Amino acid sequence: AQSVTQLGSHVSVSEGALVLLRCNYSSSVPPYLFWYVQYPNQGLQLLLKYTTGATLVKGINGFEAEFKKSETSFHLTKPSAHMSDAAEYFCAVSGDTGRRALTFGSGTRLQVQP
Amino acid sequence: GAVVSQHPSRVICKSGTSVKIECRSLDFQATTMFWYRQFPKQSLMLMATSNEGSKATYEQGVEKDKFLINHASLTLSTLTVTSAHPEDSSFYICSARASSGGTNTGELFFGEGSRLTVL
Repeated sequence: AQSVTQLGSHVSVSEGALVLLRCNYSSSVPPYLFWYVQYPNQGLQLLLKYTTGATLVKGINGFEAEFKKSETSFHLTKPSAHMSDAAEYFCAVSGDTGRRALTFGSGTRLQVQP
Repeated sequence: GAVVSQHPSRVICKSGTSVKIECRSLDFQATTMFWYRQFPKQSLMLMATSNEGSKATYEQGVEKDKFLINHASLTLSTLTVTSAHPEDSSFYICSARASSGGTNTGELFFGEGSRLTVL
């Protein structure tokens, strides 16, 4: 069984500030971890994913995340927020070599203030 | 990247009618598709796993007679909400896993979602 916990349903940052969205997971098997972004009334777009190998993963739009097994975390960061980053962000986990459906966290809404 | 298309993107129907939502993988084959439901300001909840040529596997608490899933080909899965009621109003999202042999093998791609409103 897997689960994902996203701390903070809402995060607000100023434009140009660091973005940090937290994600902790639990999985009985080595996890595949994902971050998705969702804009209003749209589907999900993959930001980045961790499967195996390098624990620091770089994704699109300047986002990156680090897999920390000891902390069971996969926090998403971006050095400098842009207004266009305002959206809903979902962390997700998949076990069994990633072939099963994803289990999603509750989501974090990112607001970027001018 | 690979594209998954859902149709319709928005649908409004009367209570008691049935609504069909299509999920197509446009440039890859998908033996497995997943259907999710998303309530306003909430996360995605897996409803069922759809396998080409076989019956769908439903998650606990999801009525299979209410939400009919058909996966008749490697590029198309359909979700039919039968006898829809206002509580079925939601955002439905499909995802498709690319079959082996292509450049996107094993990758999971999401459709744009379909917003159902039942009056």
